[in-house]
Amino acid sequence: GQQVMQIPQYQHVQEGEDFTTYCNSSTTLSNIQWYKQRPGGHPVFLIQLVKSGEVKKQKRLTFQFGEAKKNSSLHITATQTTDVGTYFCAGPGTADRGSTLGRLYFGRGTQLTVWP
Amino acid sequence: KAGVTQTPRYLIKTRGQQVTLSCSPISGHRSVSWYQQTPGQGLQFLFEYFSETQRNKGNFPGRFSGRQFSNSRSEMNVSTLELGDSALYLCASSLTSSYGYTFGSGTRLTVV
Repeated sequence: GQQVMQIPQYQHVQEGEDFTTYCNSSTTLSNIQWYKQRPGGHPVFLIQLVKSGEVKKQKRLTFQFGEAKKNSSLHITATQTTDVGTYFCAGPGTADRGSTLGRLYFGRGTQLTVWP
Repeated sequence: KAGVTQTPRYLIKTRGQQVTLSCSPISGHRSVSWYQQTPGQGLQFLFEYFSETQRNKGNFPGRFSGRQFSNSRSEMNVSTLELGDSALYLCASSLTSSYGYTFGSGTRLTVV
């Protein structure tokens, strides 16, 4: 079945260092979504990328969608303690694999720890 | 505007019991999805409703069911609870299923 894989599973960085998490789908995606979940919290929608090769920035966060629309990355520049949490990528089901409407396939997430 | 509201926040049940969880989506959002989150399995899709119709169901046993009302509010029910059903149950809503989802704070279910 459709799978979304994410690496690394864990990342420990010192405050000020950069951080990158990578997401790969077994199928071509119509869009890729990124979510952040703080410890003890719930996933919060960060962004959606739709176009092949798209790059979007939110302050220190840079999101990329691959040319083949099968991979994506999230890069955080100069991490801060407020960046702590688990970052998930998620892609919708593809229409040619039966009814997958409304279903998001989530990666296992990258848990980011930032040391002050 | 109000976010996605899930009730109750915490629940402790014993094996064999049943439980009903409630979700009120953001006003105007017609797509409501449910996910189970556990440390071992991550976020697993349960089902999605759109305009009162279940459009998709994940790989969960028939003990897990849900429904959506005309006001878009949704409930999920788990019957004959098992220890392995202990998890954070998350509801998420979206304008349609093509946009990012807003998650509720979840219901943490503990089965003892």
